[in-house]
Amino acid sequence: KNEVEQSPQNLTAQEGEFITINCSYSVGISALHWLQQHPGGGIVSLFMLSSGKKKHGRLIATINIQEKHSSLHITASHPRDSAVYICAVEGSQGNLIFGKGTKLSVKP
Amino acid sequence: NAGVTQTPKFQVLKTGQSMTLQCAQDMNHEYMSWYRQDPGMGLRLIHYSVGAGITDQGEVPNGYNVSRSTTEDFPLRLLSAAPSQTSVYFCASGPNSPLHFGNGTRLTVT
Repeated sequence: KNEVEQSPQNLTAQEGEFITINCSYSVGISALHWLQQHPGGGIVSLFMLSSGKKKHGRLIATINIQEKHSSLHITASHPRDSAVYICAVEGSQGNLIFGKGTKLSVKP
Repeated sequence: NAGVTQTPKFQVLKTGQSMTLQCAQDMNHEYMSWYRQDPGMGLRLIHYSVGAGITDQGEVPNGYNVSRSTTEDFPLRLLSAAPSQTSVYFCASGPNSPLHFGNGTRLTVT
């Protein structure tokens, strides 16, 4: 069983739709990271959070420590949001465990 | 711009050849790490370092060597390349801070 599970694996949306990507984990963590990777591109950090909720532009990330679950929301989605979104949890030793990613495609 | 600089961007090797992937950061981060990314799998940790002079193995260390003589630099060495090492490699600094990744190296071993 993977320690970090993301769902869905693939997601296709129409421009303007509200999008939710989920991340569940089974280990104790000190922080959780959401990352974005465009096709053929590098990996960019979107959020690092250990409790509650963070917002940056149209992106919102939430975490529920008790339920070991985090969500990444994108409001008013746009084709440029098309990318792979990766959840990574940070253990108490600083080690990172990555999910396999969610491939998002936003159609105009 | 501050960040992680990773070179080269592309590399083709023949089986048995050796090479070094370079990684440098200018954010004074103590923690640096190397990952490989393969289709259908998440990023997997090869080696990491928590400071100059300190390195340790990750999940998939075989066939790779690292050293950390300065805070800034963390090179990854392939000792004798094998086709199974065909992958995309990323260097990163963090965690304990927002993660910063290099732009990746696409390595093909024939």
